[in-house]
Amino acid sequence: DTAVSQTPKYLVTQMGNDKSIKCEQNLGHDTMYWYKQDSKKFLKIMFSYNNKELIINETVPNRFSPKSPDKAHLNLHINSLELGDSAVYFCASTPGSGQKNTIYFGEGSWLTVV
Amino acid sequence: EDKVVQSPLSLVVHEGDTVTLNCSYEVTNFRSLLWYKQEKKAPTFLFMLTSSGIEKKSGRLSSILDKKELFSILNITATQTGDSAIYLCAPEGNAGNMLTFGGGTRLMVKP
Repeated sequence: DTAVSQTPKYLVTQMGNDKSIKCEQNLGHDTMYWYKQDSKKFLKIMFSYNNKELIINETVPNRFSPKSPDKAHLNLHINSLELGDSAVYFCASTPGSGQKNTIYFGEGSWLTVV
Repeated sequence: EDKVVQSPLSLVVHEGDTVTLNCSYEVTNFRSLLWYKQEKKAPTFLFMLTSSGIEKKSGRLSSILDKKELFSILNITATQTGDSAIYLCAPEGNAGNMLTFGGGTRLMVKP
């Protein structure tokens, strides 16, 4: 069974559209994340979220918003897509905050904005 | 702002060679440093280091952390073509389990 799963795996969309990427983890983890990996392979944290606290990387535009219907899901919603949003987006999870844990990544969602 | 610098940016070697990858970091409230290997998809976990001077080993890979000098190295001995990947280091600091990733080292191992 896939521990952290993301959908869609590939997404091609036009500038100005609104899109969502879904993420689910079946590990029972408390904390979930979204990372963006650009064409230069820099992997940058976007959000960290558990049922108590949302931590937002201040460099992330407010067109990006995380939505968590429950502990096992953290979806990424993007409004008014721009060309520069093209990247691979990785969802991830850890058992909890404040613990020395490894992080489990999803397989990535390849977003192309045209 | 947290900072992570990896070197070299890229490296091409032949099978059997030994490589050393470097990671220097500046993070607030350092907790640990993690190494990942990324091939075509998501990064996969290699090591987590929390204490200085204690080498962690897994097969041909080993890693060590120096918390005083704020760096870590990843060694790969007797490299194989399957070692070709991007190697990412990520110190953990600040709130919760926030990881700051370095830009990675692209390793290519030729037959």
